[in-house]
Amino acid sequence: SYELTQPPSVSVSPGQTASITCSGDKLGDKYACWYQQKPGQSPVLVIYQNNKRPSGIPERFSGSNSGNTATLTISGTQAMDEADYFCQAWDRNTVYVFGTGTKVTVL
Amino acid sequence: QVQLLQSGPGLVKPSQTLSLTCAISGYSVSGNSVTWNWIRQSPSRGLEWLGRTYYRSKWYNDYAVSVKSRITINPDTSKNQFSLQLNSVTPEDTAVYFCTRGFEIAARPEFDYWGQGTLVTVSS
Repeated sequence: SYELTQPPSVSVSPGQTASITCSGDKLGDKYACWYQQKPGQSPVLVIYQNNKRPSGIPERFSGSNSGNTATLTISGTQAMDEADYFCQAWDRNTVYVFGTGTKVTVL
Repeated sequence: QVQLLQSGPGLVKPSQTLSLTCAISGYSVSGNSVTWNWIRQSPSRGLEWLGRTYYRSKWYNDYAVSVKSRITINPDTSKNQFSLQLNSVTPEDTAVYFCTRGFEIAARPEFDYWGQGTLVTVSS
C-alpha cells in the first residue's frame, strides 16, 4: 500500500520559516494537499493541488511538490500556527492516503 | 457556507454496530462533482479514510479494503444527510470519526469541509 512519511516534529522561532516535508514514492506525480489540526479540533485544509490556498488561509502558507517530496512552508510563523500538520494524496490502489503527521512547535 | 453536523452515540459495545449520521447544510447530498466521506483518527492508525458515497445519475459507494466487509454508507436525500454503519466493532475501532466533503477526481484528493468529529469508544 502507498505510504506518506512526515517528520514527527518541527520547531520554529516566531517570525521564522517552518518547512514540513512529506515523502512518498513518486509523490510529485500526484496532487498533494495539507491540513492543519489544533488540539480537539477537526482538520482544516490549508493547501490543495500542491500549492493552492483555500479562501481564508493566510498567504504565509505555501506548498510545493516534486520528485518524491511535497513540502508545506509557513513563512513568518506565528504562535497561532502551532498545530499538527498532515499531508494527503490519492493513490489508485490505496485510494486516500494521509501522512503520519508533524507537530509544529513555535518556540 | 457548507456545514457538516455529526450525531450518534459515543459508546458502542464490542460486536455491535457503530452508527453515525452527518447532516449537511449549504449543499445538497445529491450534488454533482462532490463526494461524502467518513474518516477516522486514532493514535495507533492515524487518519484513515473509511469510505464514501456520491451521486452521478445514480448512487455509488467506495469503501476502504480494511473495513469493506463491515461498512455501509447511505445517503438520505429527504433529510440531506448521510450515515455510517460499521458492524462487528472491536476495541480497535475506537477512534474519532469525521464526516467530510470531497471530490471524485484524482486531481482533487482533498477534503474541504469536515464535521466536528465524534469520539466513539468500543467497550463493554
